[in-house]
Amino acid sequence: QSVLTQPPSVSAAPGQKVSISCSGSSSNIGGNYVSWYQQLPGSAPTLLIYDNTKRSPGVPDRFSGSKSGTSATLGIAGLHTGDEAEYYCATWDSSLSAVLFGSGTTVTVL
Amino acid sequence: QITLKESGPTLLKPTQTLTLTCTFSGFSLTTDGVGVGWIRQPPGKALEWLAVIYWDDDERYSPSLKTRLTVTKDTSKNQVILRMTNVDPADTATYFCAHTDVMHWGEVSIYDFWGQGTLVSVSS
Repeated sequence: QSVLTQPPSVSAAPGQKVSISCSGSSSNIGGNYVSWYQQLPGSAPTLLIYDNTKRSPGVPDRFSGSKSGTSATLGIAGLHTGDEAEYYCATWDSSLSAVLFGSGTTVTVL
Repeated sequence: QITLKESGPTLLKPTQTLTLTCTFSGFSLTTDGVGVGWIRQPPGKALEWLAVIYWDDDERYSPSLKTRLTVTKDTSKNQVILRMTNVDPADTATYFCAHTDVMHWGEVSIYDFWGQGTLVSVSS
């Protein structure tokens, strides 16, 4: 069971926006940068967001990241079917001295 | 162009030792800041970080698996090897290797290039 908690699933209609939360603690999200990964079905993960808010090269500005305290959020605006995927947050945990991945969130476009 | 590819056995029996090889190109594990990590994903479940080895031979391991894991590198062959002892059906997963560069990104949780993954099943 992951230390970083995400909702199992979120969904919205095409063109709408979804937000995915990632909840942790002071030893991980609270004191370190958060990154976000997208995993399309049957593929390896790809880096979307790093340093809480910065988009990886080539990632459209429909994707945004934020962080407040011990939680982080990924936003996806203007949803389209190509966004249907699993999304993971990740960060360093200073107490565990380990990289943590979130529990994962499935995005469905209705 | 950075590429990574995992290779190794597809089926193991409980208590055996798993040895996976990550063969990469497009970067060198002698370059300051560069590392190769291992991440796994059980079928239908979340990603789990396992280990990383850096250019300076620094090794880091998941605390929950530390006693069973060893990661080594062969810079002449552009390979990183992950060894996991005493496997169990719970170790059935797709195993990914991935590139990281702490000098470029300024932090340790960013993996910017991933291999396609290799599915390893553990069953008696």
